[in-house]
Amino acid sequence: EPEVTQTPSHQVTQMGQEVILRCVPISNHLYFYWYRQILGQKVEFLVSFYNNEISEKSEIFDDQFSVERPDGSNFTLKIRSTKLEDSAMYFCASRGTSGSQETQYFGPGTRLLVL
Amino acid sequence: GESVGLHLPTLSVQEGDNSIINCAYSNSASDYFIWYKQESGKGPQFIIDIRSNMDKRQGQRVTVLLNKTVKHLSLQIAATQPGDSAVYFCAENLNSGGYQKVTFGTGTKLQVIP
Repeated sequence: EPEVTQTPSHQVTQMGQEVILRCVPISNHLYFYWYRQILGQKVEFLVSFYNNEISEKSEIFDDQFSVERPDGSNFTLKIRSTKLEDSAMYFCASRGTSGSQETQYFGPGTRLLVL
Repeated sequence: GESVGLHLPTLSVQEGDNSIINCAYSNSASDYFIWYKQESGKGPQFIIDIRSNMDKRQGQRVTVLLNKTVKHLSLQIAATQPGDSAVYFCAENLNSGGYQKVTFGTGTKLQVIP
């Protein structure tokens, strides 16, 4: 069964450093998403991406964040100048194109720890 | 602002009994609702969904009920098994101009007692 994959599974970085989180969505999906989940809190929407551009973003997704689809398979989230409060689980999700209400399939997440 | 919330943070159920997990939503424009299961250390896993023009949908051992009058969503799990132990999130979807925005609730932890 196709699945969303994410790398790395864990990332430890120093405050102020840049990190890139990688995702490989399901191959025939065209809508991509990033979410984060701070430990013990609910999943929060960050950004959605379609047709090589951001379609929607939340207030969390400020200039510190950027997304990119550098090739036909990867979808990345870059966090510049990381802060302690960026420590969280980051989930990538993708969905198909049939209908307007296709469910999103989530990857296993990358646990980011900023020291 | 409008939000999705859950009534019970933890639910303990005897194995074999039925489980009911509740969710209240407040955005009347939401057109699609999803229940996710999240096991420890894993990403959310789709369980079942329902569109706003429906009031009930059944899957394998699971049923979702939608009451738009009181903006309430519930997930019923029949014959609960130990493998059902997880955190369950409801989420509401707002479809605007072909784009989706999914807002998650805080989650209910289901503990199945063997």
